[in-house]
Parts: sequence; C-alpha cells; structure tokens
Amino acid sequence: NAGVMQNPRHLVRRRGQEARLRCSPMKGHSHVYWYRQLPEEGLKFMVYLQKENIIDESGMPKERFSAEFPKEGPSILRIQQVVRGDSAAYFCASSPPVATDTQYFGPGTRLTVL
Amino acid sequence: TQLLEQSPQFLSIQEGENLTVYCNSSSVFSSLQWYRQEPGEGPVLLVTVVTGGEVKKLKRLTFQFGDARKDSSLHITAAQPGDTGLYLCAGGGSARQLTFGSGTQLTVLP
Repeated sequence: NAGVMQNPRHLVRRRGQEARLRCSPMKGHSHVYWYRQLPEEGLKFMVYLQKENIIDESGMPKERFSAEFPKEGPSILRIQQVVRGDSAAYFCASSPPVATDTQYFGPGTRLTVL
Repeated sequence: TQLLEQSPQFLSIQEGENLTVYCNSSSVFSSLQWYRQEPGEGPVLLVTVVTGGEVKKLKRLTFQFGDARKDSSLHITAAQPGDTGLYLCAGGGSARQLTFGSGTQLTVLP
C-alpha cells in the first residue's frame, strides 16, 4: 500500500514566484489536510479538503494561498508571489471517509524562498 | 484556541533507561494521536487513543489518555538508540483538524 505521496520533496523559489505543492492521498482516502511547519515551530493546520470541496480553510493565510482537491488528480497547495516568510515544510495528510481523527502524513515538501 | 503543551522539550538519556513524555491541555479532545518524526521526513503515526483512561501498548511504548481527555503520556521502557527522534502529540476535535504539541526531541545515547 502506497502511503501519502508529496512532490516535489524540495522546492526552491525566488521572491515573487509561484509555488505549487502536490499531494496524492493514500488509496481509498478522500479527505486531505495541509499543515505547515515553520522553522523551530510545531505543525499548524492550514486547510481541510474533500474531493472538489474545501471544508475548512481557517488556518490558511487570507492572501496568496489557495488549495484544491479536484475530482481527478492530486490535491494542490498553491502559493502565489512567495515571500521569504513562506519558507517552511508543508505536509499533507489524508484520512479515510469514515469518521476518524487519525491522519496519515506524507514526507513533506521543503520550500525555500530565496 | 486549543493548545497542547508537551514536556520536556528536550530529553537526552542513556540506552536502557525509562522515560515519560507528557502532553497537557486545558481543552478536551475527542482523540489523541502520537507521532514520531525523523529529520527531513513527515510524522509517522504511532497510536491513536480515543477513550478517557485508555491505555495502549506498542512493544516498549505505553500510551495513556487522561480520564478527562485533556492530557496524555508516552512512556518508553528500556530506551534504545533507535528510539531517537521527535515525538509529537496531536489532539483531534470536532473540526477534524489536528492541534499539535511543540514536540519532545528525544536522544538515546548508546
């Protein structure tokens, strides 16, 4: 069974560029979550999605950040006009359709903004 | 805002010793997850506890959820160098988002 997959594992962008982070959930999982881990800080929730729906985006910055989970294909976290403060590790997690708090995490994407 | 406090933040012990990591909150959680994270990798799920007072064992690791579902502990018996890593607790709530503690960095010296 393949786990949660994320790519790229490392991404370098210059200030003002766009960053696209991809996440493929575990097989059979229809719920996807994105978390951000800033240097020397804990993981913080950003957004919770189901197929074609954003369920909770209360942790997402209001500007420049967006997320989607289309009917086909991976979930995408998009950061427009990146700034140095966006440098962090971004983790995706997934869970099955049943009611559960248990989430399984991917290996993360390390974003560095120069 | 729900907060989870982990203690200690850093722990360095000799191989064979026992240790306990604590996760405390003033909020009630529907469940408590424990994860271990290696440098450069994502958190790996160790256990989920959902019932107040629940105790789960995973080989040398024992996890307990407090009766009031506000706190949890992780006890490791006879620690080994392979146990070295960042241990994270995470609380689940009605909104399905996890609230993470700040982590305990454990180093087991051979």
